[in-house]
Amino acid sequence: QQQVRQSPQSLTVWEGETAILNCSYEDSTFDYFPWYHQFPGESPALLIAIRPVSNKKEDGRFTIFFNKREKKFSLHIADSQPGDSATYFCAASSGGSNAKLTFGKGTKLSVKS
Amino acid sequence: DPKIIQKPKYLVAVTGSEKILICEQYLGHNAMYWYRQSAKKPLEFMFSYSYQKLMDNQTASSRFQPQSSKKNHLDLQITALKPDDSATYFCASSQGTGLYEQYFGPGTRLTVL
Repeated sequence: QQQVRQSPQSLTVWEGETAILNCSYEDSTFDYFPWYHQFPGESPALLIAIRPVSNKKEDGRFTIFFNKREKKFSLHIADSQPGDSATYFCAASSGGSNAKLTFGKGTKLSVKS
Repeated sequence: DPKIIQKPKYLVAVTGSEKILICEQYLGHNAMYWYRQSAKKPLEFMFSYSYQKLMDNQTASSRFQPQSSKKNHLDLQITALKPDDSATYFCASSQGTGLYEQYFGPGTRLTVL
C-alpha cells in the first residue's frame, strides 16, 4: 500500500520557470512533510519541510503549499536553474516514537537552459 | 568533514553470504535509521533506533539485524544474502524520533551476485 503518492514521475521546465511537484497522502496521522532532493550517485538531502500548523513554508526559491483538507502538498521551485535538475522526493511522518519517513516514488526534474 | 559515515561505499557479495554495513554519525543525534533504495522500490524505511533502543522495524525478514554498540553507531548485519537484497542502503539520523529533520549518510551500494 503506497501511502504517499507523487506526481508527475518526470518534469521538464525551462530555466526561469516555476516547477511544481505534487504529493498526496492517505494517513491522517501524518503531521510532518519534508521534501528531499537527490542528485545521481548521491544521498537524499533535506530541502524544506512543513508541519500542518501552517499551509505554506518558504525558503528562498522553494515553497511548500499544504492543503490538510485535501491531504495534498506541493513543492514550487521558482526561477528554476539547471543546477536544480535532480530527483525530488516528498515524504511524510507521524512523528512521536515512530519517526518513519514514508517516501513518494520521486519526480525527476530536468531544467533546460 | 562528513557528519555521517557509511562503510564501505560499495560492496559486492555472493548469494548466501553475510555482510555488515557500518554507520557512524557525528551530529550528536539520538536517533538513527536505516533506509533502502533500489530500482524497483522507492526509499523504504527499515529500522529506527533511539538511544540505542529499537523503536520500529519494518523489514519482513529476520535476515536484517541492526546492531548498536554505541549511541552514534548503527550497523546493519544482513545474513543469507539474496540477489533481491541488491540496493543502496542509507543510514540517517535525527535529533530525536519526534518531528525532527532526518539527515542521510552517503550510502552503501550492495550488489549480491
